[in-house]
Amino acid sequence: GQQLNQSPQSMFIQEGEDVSMNCTSSSIFNTWLWYKQDPGEGPVLLIALYKAGELTSNGRLTAQFGITRKDSFLNISASIPSDVGIYFCAGQDYTGNQFYFGTGTSLTVIP
Amino acid sequence: DVKVTQSSRYLVKRTGEKVFLECVQDMDHENMFWYRQDPGLGLRLIYFSYDVKMKEKGDIPEGYSVSREKKERFSLILESASTNQTSMYLCASSSPGQGRIGNTIYFGEGSWLTVV
Repeated sequence: GQQLNQSPQSMFIQEGEDVSMNCTSSSIFNTWLWYKQDPGEGPVLLIALYKAGELTSNGRLTAQFGITRKDSFLNISASIPSDVGIYFCAGQDYTGNQFYFGTGTSLTVIP
Repeated sequence: DVKVTQSSRYLVKRTGEKVFLECVQDMDHENMFWYRQDPGLGLRLIYFSYDVKMKEKGDIPEGYSVSREKKERFSLILESASTNQTSMYLCASSSPGQGRIGNTIYFGEGSWLTVV
């Protein structure tokens, strides 16, 4: 199945810095989702986006559904140590039954 | 709260054993999925089911089978476990699409399987 292009693969940042990551696909999606996965745990939903151009926030996290419907980005402001983990995107195709996933961005926050 | 529960978090099995991974969701979702997650390979779809007793092969179905006898329960079966099936297995569920937007996929906590 299709795998989404997610970048960067990894990030090492100082506590307090802002973070930005993005996902692109070759197909148009109806939904973009962003997840965080801690080591040994299942992915937890952070933000869901349902309309092109939509900008949604969840605390220090902000995500946008690209106008072309082929991309999305996630920003984390003022990072803290508990932000450490793997973040990945997911897109839902027009049928609504299949989801496609990015390969993840590994975030390390240095206190 | 949304809940997808995987029965076993950590399992160690011997090569050739039959392995059952159970998953239950409490959201009345029609669609359920089994993925495996390996470093550098991301999430790969093994099987999914869009209704009771219905199943569809995903990208890597070889060596696996599934069972969906009840709407809330989706089981993954390794008929004869092999070492290359050592992995993290994730169950997930979602409501159906058919053009409807606003659907989200929810994951369980994961099952770590080691085959020795």
